Amino acid sequence: EDQVTQSPEALRLQEGESSSLNCSYTVSGLRGLFWYRQDPGKGPEFLFTLYSAGEEKEKERLKATLTKKESFLHITAPKPEDSATYLCAVSLNDYKLSFGAGTTVTVRA
Amino acid sequence: ETGVTQTPRHLVMGMTNKKSLKCEQHLGHNAMYWYKQSAKKPLELMFVYSLEERVENNSVPSRFSPECPNSSHLFLHLHTLQPEDSALYLCASSQDGAGDQPQHFGDGTRLSIL
Repeated sequence: EDQVTQSPEALRLQEGESSSLNCSYTVSGLRGLFWYRQDPGKGPEFLFTLYSAGEEKEKERLKATLTKKESFLHITAPKPEDSATYLCAVSLNDYKLSFGAGTTVTVRA
Repeated sequence: ETGVTQTPRHLVMGMTNKKSLKCEQHLGHNAMYWYKQSAKKPLELMFVYSLEERVENNSVPSRFSPECPNSSHLFLHLHTLQPEDSALYLCASSQDGAGDQPQHFGDGTRLSIL
């Protein structure tokens, strides 16, 4: 069965303390893996799409990487405004995304 | 207005009420989606429309009834809901639904069933 698992469930960081979030997936024929950021009371905000193993995307302090089994979201020197829940999703086929449960990141000043 | 807009942002209703959620997208997309988000659970896909035609109904109870009058608007009609239906309901859109396209979300309607 297709599955997306994110770890850890929660991550507490000091400002400037770099770390990584993991998204493991079991889906055959990956068509796209998506990272989103969700703030409390808001909808998910699209960050990145990754299509093939070895691909990397960057945006400010965030960098997403992809292998054949998992994706990592690296947060470099985080700031308090990076506090959010980060969601990973994989495309199962047209129209259907399978989402992980998310990693809630808290960055303390 | 830009992106995906949902109204109302919050809704409290009794189990016997009838209400509707509205979604409008300003991105020129052809596919629109309804999701349910419950605490600590992954997003659950409910319905998908492509060019106003329903292409997916993910075993959703009939007390939820979607409507897509045109490619920019999507409604979710609610009636006789249960307490377990309390959740954040999210609308999303994508260019044409292809699996390599990201979906763009609104900020949701927080629904509470009394």
